[in-house]
Amino acid sequence: NAGVTQTPKFRILKIGQSMTLQCTQDMNHNYMYWYRQDPGMGLKLIYYSVGAGITDKGEVPNGYNVSRSTTEDFPLRLELAAPSQTSVYFCASKQGATFINSPLHFGNGTRLTVT
Amino acid sequence: QQQVKQSPQSLIVQKGGISIINCAYENTAFDYFPWYQQFPGKGPALLIAIRPDVSEKKEGRFTISFNKSAKQFSLHIMDSQPGDSATYFCAAAIFSRGSTLGRLYFGRGTQLTVWP
Repeated sequence: NAGVTQTPKFRILKIGQSMTLQCTQDMNHNYMYWYRQDPGMGLKLIYYSVGAGITDKGEVPNGYNVSRSTTEDFPLRLELAAPSQTSVYFCASKQGATFINSPLHFGNGTRLTVT
Repeated sequence: QQQVKQSPQSLIVQKGGISIINCAYENTAFDYFPWYQQFPGKGPALLIAIRPDVSEKKEGRFTISFNKSAKQFSLHIMDSQPGDSATYFCAAAIFSRGSTLGRLYFGRGTQLTVWP
């Protein structure tokens, strides 16, 4: 009963490096999300996907890219990492379009430091 | 612009006491108000939620009070326990017509510490 799995758990990047944060879910959920969590700031939506092949920007998409080639996987790509991208990143999924009767399921996060 | 304003930022309560966290919003189109609980090193998990046509919802020691006219809602944790020590986020959801996505906006979080 894995739910939403994120890898890696921790990563340190140098400025200008690139990396991909992995997210996979085994609940056959259509909707997947990437959030970032900064101290005292809550969670901000980066990108989301409503199904395989369909993605769109959230509130804070700059500096990130996503793809959704399968229902299960929703990787987040950081190109040219910057210190402002130091954060904890959470992937989440849910079955239905609305949040009523279709709660978000979060992974345990990836803590990223860019120095 | 913060869609959902949450206070306090941190809260210390003695075991057995009542913890109260408050949230406020402006957009009357919000139609669902969940609370999430997050333990260190873990992702947030849905704790309890309410719809705006209900003034109160109780699940065990956790109660949401909702004041539609004031556009405020709060989480009450009765008989607070050390195991309740976590960060709590309120949120508000909207399902925009013409959009394929319901949007969820989070408050900034409240770090609750319950002393034994």
